[in-house]
Amino acid sequence: DAKTTQPNSMESNEEEPVHLPCNHSTISGTDYIHWYRQLPSQGPEYVIHGLTSNVNNRMASLAIAEDRKSSTLILHRATLRDAAVYYCILRRYSSASKIIFGSGTRLSIRP
Amino acid sequence: EPEVTQTPSHQVTQMGQEVILRCVPISNHLYFYWYRQILGQKVEFLVSFYNNEISEKSEIFDDQFSVERPDGSNFTLKIRSTKLEDSAMYFCASSDKDRPAPVADFGSGTRLTVV
Repeated sequence: DAKTTQPNSMESNEEEPVHLPCNHSTISGTDYIHWYRQLPSQGPEYVIHGLTSNVNNRMASLAIAEDRKSSTLILHRATLRDAAVYYCILRRYSSASKIIFGSGTRLSIRP
Repeated sequence: EPEVTQTPSHQVTQMGQEVILRCVPISNHLYFYWYRQILGQKVEFLVSFYNNEISEKSEIFDDQFSVERPDGSNFTLKIRSTKLEDSAMYFCASSDKDRPAPVADFGSGTRLTVV
């Protein structure tokens, strides 16, 4: 499976936008870019996914580079509840594929 | 909104004892998974299950582990003879389709403590 690279940690201020980067230079044409997050003492939670075009949902936006070798998860207005570990994961177009979690980015939010 | 539920939330067991962790996946989902997370470490895949059989398992999922979907709604993970190193959070997940790239819904986990 193609690998992703994320910063170990980031900090942001409450009510400000947060841009979480992810590099995936070996992504293949059929890999989808997924983001999950894990709040303290919780299970992972799906955030958003995309293939080529930028995507928006109620939780976040996903900006995908034109060459697809990197992407950015955007939280438009961070709250204290957004403090979590964020995982950028590539998911192959295949049957019942497992999710391989890396170390993710630990996001801290300053009040 | 439907969710994956896991019971118990916390289980303490003595080394060598058998434990069964229970999960109720989302009702129309077809693919089921178990993951574990040792304190301070990454979330690790254990096993995936589809159509009443294991579709993939990791090296962690040895003969001490088994999974079962006994009644069409529950999905269980059994550890036959627990070891201290089995202490971890165990997460159940389910997804509803396999293409193009399924989103998995995770439960809140069972914290297993082996003493």
